[in-house]
Amino acid sequence: AQSVSQHNHHVILSEAASLELGCNYSYGGTVNLFWYVQYPGQHLQLLLKYFSGDPLVKGIKGFEAEFIKSKFSFNLRKPSVQWSDTAEYFCAVSSTGGGNKLTFGTGTQLKVEL
Amino acid sequence: KAGVTQTPRYLIKTRGQQVTLSCSPISGHRSVSWYQQTPGQGLQFLFEYFSETQRNKGNFPGRFSGRQFSNSRSEMNVSTLELGDSALYLCASSVALTGAWDEQYFGPGTRLTVT
Repeated sequence: AQSVSQHNHHVILSEAASLELGCNYSYGGTVNLFWYVQYPGQHLQLLLKYFSGDPLVKGIKGFEAEFIKSKFSFNLRKPSVQWSDTAEYFCAVSSTGGGNKLTFGTGTQLKVEL
Repeated sequence: KAGVTQTPRYLIKTRGQQVTLSCSPISGHRSVSWYQQTPGQGLQFLFEYFSETQRNKGNFPGRFSGRQFSNSRSEMNVSTLELGDSALYLCASSVALTGAWDEQYFGPGTRLTVT
């Protein structure tokens, strides 16, 4: 069975600080990887995704993530966070050919202080 | 284009009762997935419907069921409610032209409280 681990449950940063949120997955086959974000009072939305090819993927709002197959990791990064990045971030995985079944991590609550 | 809508937004039920939640996908979307979100377990996949057929199923007991209509609208039903069923139930839709993965758009959720 697939599983996803997010090691940081709560992160507090000052504006302009760099961000890296860890995500590790467990699955023996080929996977698709995602980061979703949920801003306060808003719907869950896709930040970025990795299917194949370049392991460094860029998403919306300046976020990027790097897929390291040997480490089963898909860490999310942003060089300089803004107050508006305050949100909950979820890493998710689906198996290729598995349709739309997503397995989510437990989420990381990010708070950016002015 | 209207987003995914879920009704009702909030619901309070008593243990032992049953409940039906509704999801209207984005126009043109044929796949609807349901997730349960709780503070302890996070987001867990319930099931996915595509062209009125259940295509994927998570590890939930048989008390949780769903269906999809010909207009792609979906309902999920929980029978014999337990306190642990209190959660935010999210619906997500996608175009699913090829049956492979494509971006899912999430609704605002239905907050179910079981007392």
